[in-house]
Amino acid sequence: QITLKESGPTLVKPTQSLTLTCTFSGFSLRNSGVGVGWIRQPPGKPLEWLTLIYWDDDKRYSPSIRGRVTITTDTSKNQVVLAMTNVNPDDTATYYCAHLQTRGWISFFDFWGQGALVTVSS
Amino acid sequence: DIQMTQSPSSLSASVGDTVTITCRANQNINSYLNWYQQKPGKAPILLIYAASSLQSGVPSRFSGSGSGTDFTLTINGLQPEDFATYYCQQNYNTWTFGQGTKVENK
Repeated sequence: QITLKESGPTLVKPTQSLTLTCTFSGFSLRNSGVGVGWIRQPPGKPLEWLTLIYWDDDKRYSPSIRGRVTITTDTSKNQVVLAMTNVNPDDTATYYCAHLQTRGWISFFDFWGQGALVTVSS
Repeated sequence: DIQMTQSPSSLSASVGDTVTITCRANQNINSYLNWYQQKPGKAPILLIYAASSLQSGVPSRFSGSGSGTDFTLTINGLQPEDFATYYCQQNYNTWTFGQGTKVENK
């Protein structure tokens, strides 16, 4: 059974950095075809994909967030970490991590964490 | 960047209705299109992947079709638990979601 859970601060001040951890179980990030991504959703707004790390440590970033976000993994701890710098109120959102399954060129997020609400405010 | 546009942004329907949601990409994405359902305060759930493949455990009243730039999600016989927001997502080049379609109870 695949599960993911996000953890981190609920309140961050503008210009500070944000670090969120996704702790997962039920799969290994060493398995071919697997990835873990971060998706966020500002209150009342659509989903926005931010970044993803593949089983082979290949990484992808959304152009909208590139330069402010870094994704890393600690496979020994079954964790994926999202680090975001210089946050602003527009970064207020529920942040989800999700398991990515690839089948050839097809890929989809088939398991999601419950989400973590992060508020950026002074 | 690949942009995904859903229509309508919201619709009202009754239990038993057939509901159709459209998603359009601004370039050819072949069949690299997924559909998700999201209820308030909950994480999205994968319904359809590769435009028309039903995810395991998803009721067969959900179906997807389309390729290229135009895609459709159909719910045949809307059930009370289907009132939610639906998102399309392309995976042709990284991942982009549509803006969502909210299905409300008429």
